[in-house]
Amino acid sequence: GENVEQHPSTLSVQEGDSAVIKCTYSDSASNYFPWYKQELGKRPQLIIDIRSNVGEKKDQRIAVTLNKTAKHFSLHITETQPEDSAVYFCAASSSSNNQGGKLIFGQGTELSVKP
Amino acid sequence: DAGVTQSPTHLIKTRGQQVTLRCSPKSGHDTVSWYQQALGQGPQFIFQYYEEEERQRGNFPDRFSGHQFPNYSSELNVNALLLGDSALYLCASSLRVGQGNSPLHFGNGTRLTVT
Repeated sequence: GENVEQHPSTLSVQEGDSAVIKCTYSDSASNYFPWYKQELGKRPQLIIDIRSNVGEKKDQRIAVTLNKTAKHFSLHITETQPEDSAVYFCAASSSSNNQGGKLIFGQGTELSVKP
Repeated sequence: DAGVTQSPTHLIKTRGQQVTLRCSPKSGHDTVSWYQQALGQGPQFIFQYYEEEERQRGNFPDRFSGHQFPNYSSELNVNALLLGDSALYLCASSLRVGQGNSPLHFGNGTRLTVT
């Protein structure tokens, strides 16, 4: 069935370094890939998303890359800051043109940025 | 502009009881999705409501049911509670666009503890 694997489960970096989180998906029909940031006790917040017709998308310090052939996508955070510390979730949706449809989430990556 | 609101924030129930959780979508949104997030895990899709009907459903038993009202707000009902139902229940709203939806906006969730 549908599955999204996310690695690593925990990631610790020094402030200013880059952080990379990787996800693989099983459903080849997946065509929408959002990333959510969830701080402790707070709601998941969308930070960036990408559709299957695009290979890369960037928003300031955050970028996402997609390799449809290999069925994996990655989140890249450059110049990390302590406020980037949170749990990050990748997700995939196979609903045609349905960014807000059924999302399959990864298990999450706890990112810790040390000052 | 009000975001997604959920009530109550916390709830403690006994095994076998029934519970109702409530959600008001973000202003302008017409679609509501419910997710279950166990501790240390990614959210899992329960179901989605649009035009007062269940449109998509995840792998959850019939003990989980829902409703959407004409004002787009929604309820999640869980019958015959099990210890394993203890989790954070997240409501997310979106706007139907053609055959798809805009990206999801999440509420802060309801923390359900079953004893």
